[in-house]
Amino acid sequence: NAGVTQTPKFQVLKTGQSMTLQCAQDMNHNSMYWYRQDPGMGLRLIYYSASEGTTDKGEVPNGYNVSRLNKREFSLRLESAAPSQTSVYFCASSGKGQGATGELFFGEGSRLTVL
Amino acid sequence: AQKITQTQPGMFVQEKEAVTLDCTYDTSDQSYGLFWYKQPSSGEMIFLIYQGSYDEQNATEGRYSLNFQKARKSANLVISASQLGDSAMYFCAMREGVGFQKLVFGTGTRLLVSP
Repeated sequence: NAGVTQTPKFQVLKTGQSMTLQCAQDMNHNSMYWYRQDPGMGLRLIYYSASEGTTDKGEVPNGYNVSRLNKREFSLRLESAAPSQTSVYFCASSGKGQGATGELFFGEGSRLTVL
Repeated sequence: AQKITQTQPGMFVQEKEAVTLDCTYDTSDQSYGLFWYKQPSSGEMIFLIYQGSYDEQNATEGRYSLNFQKARKSANLVISASQLGDSAMYFCAMREGVGFQKLVFGTGTRLLVSP
């Protein structure tokens, strides 16, 4: 079981460049999320998609866009990267079935450096 | 106001001893869920334990237990018989309301287990 797969794992960008982080889950989950993790700040929600066809802003959406391509895939785009977007990015998914607690299942993270 | 507060940036414990990691939360919802995640140095996020606001018993999962004190709004993680492999960052998180599973995370506690 692959779970949540995100690519790339590492990326270095120059200020002003654009890139897209890809995320796919194979657990048939309805909800997907993008978080960023910075030292001393825990994980902060960037955008989320409660279900296929919907997306909403989280706590720190500025400078990002998302696309819920289908039930499996949720991508995060940086249109014009800034050094403040240097971070580790996590994609996650959740679903609620019988007996499930609704915990998030995370990808391995993508380390992005913006020079 | 912080929704989730973890006041211990770092904790030290000797192998085989028990350790308590503190977490307090702030919500006006009656229905909510509390989660603990472990993040080892390899970076992945590992779900440990869940407590629902209506659960009357404290949650337990192997060596992990959650000391849930609803009136105090605290959800401390207790790790019994610490092992070297428990050295990691630990995050407390909360879901408010029912249905959608958006989680808010604390800033984390780094636990170091010494031989």
